[in-house]
Amino acid sequence: QAGLTQPPSVSKGLRQTATLTCTGNRNNVGDQGVAWLQQHQGHPPKLLSNRKNNRPAGISERISASRSGNTASLTITGLQAEDEADYYCSAWDRSLSAWVFGGGTKLIVL
Amino acid sequence: QVQLVESGGDVVQPGRSLRLSCAASGFMFSTYIMNWVRQAPGKGLEWVAVMSHDGGYRHYADSVKGRFTISRDNSKGTLSLQMNSLGADDTGVYYCASEIDGFDMWGQGTLVTVSS
Repeated sequence: QAGLTQPPSVSKGLRQTATLTCTGNRNNVGDQGVAWLQQHQGHPPKLLSNRKNNRPAGISERISASRSGNTASLTITGLQAEDEADYYCSAWDRSLSAWVFGGGTKLIVL
Repeated sequence: QVQLVESGGDVVQPGRSLRLSCAASGFMFSTYIMNWVRQAPGKGLEWVAVMSHDGGYRHYADSVKGRFTISRDNSKGTLSLQMNSLGADDTGVYYCASEIDGFDMWGQGTLVTVSS
C-alpha cells in the first residue's frame, strides 16, 4: 500500500519552531485527515494530534496540527531537547480500506 | 490504569506460525476499534490489521492478507493476531493499538523474529 510522504529529517535550534509536513492524496489525507505520532527511541509511539487536529489530554499546547488539501502539517513551537524524536503521520485510506503511515521524520533539536 | 500488554513474541523459523495476544485493562475494550501495527528493526511504522469493536469488519495490509488473522474476545478484553507462513520480512516489534480518530493507546510491543 502506498504510504504518505514525510521528509526524512528536520533540524532546528532550541526555542525555535519546527513544522513537519505529510503529503498524501484525496483518498487519505485529503478526505480522512491525519493523526500524528511521536516516538522516542526504544519506546512505543504516542498520539500527539488526532484526525480532527485535536490534542489528547496531556499533550503540550506547543503542538498544533493543520491540513490544507492533501498536505498536513505538525507545528512544534519553543523547541526543547525532549522534542527530539521520530514523528509519524497516519491516515485512513478509504480506497484501500487501510491505514497508511508516512516514513517518519527525525526531528533534530540543535 | 489504562493498559495494553502484548505477549507471544518469539523466535520462529521461516514458514512457521505464531499467535500474538494483547490484554486490555482500565477501559471499555468492547467499545474500541483495535489495530495491530508493526515496526521492523530500525524502520518506520507499518499498519497490519484492524478490527471493529464488535467484529463487524476486519481489514488487512496487503503484505499480510491471507496469512494473518485478527480476532478479539470482548468478554476477556483480549485482541489476537494469528500469523501463518512467516517470513523474514515479518520480523519486528508488534504493537496493539486502540483507535479513536487515530491510534490513541499503545502497548509496549512484543518482538517477533523470523530466522532459521
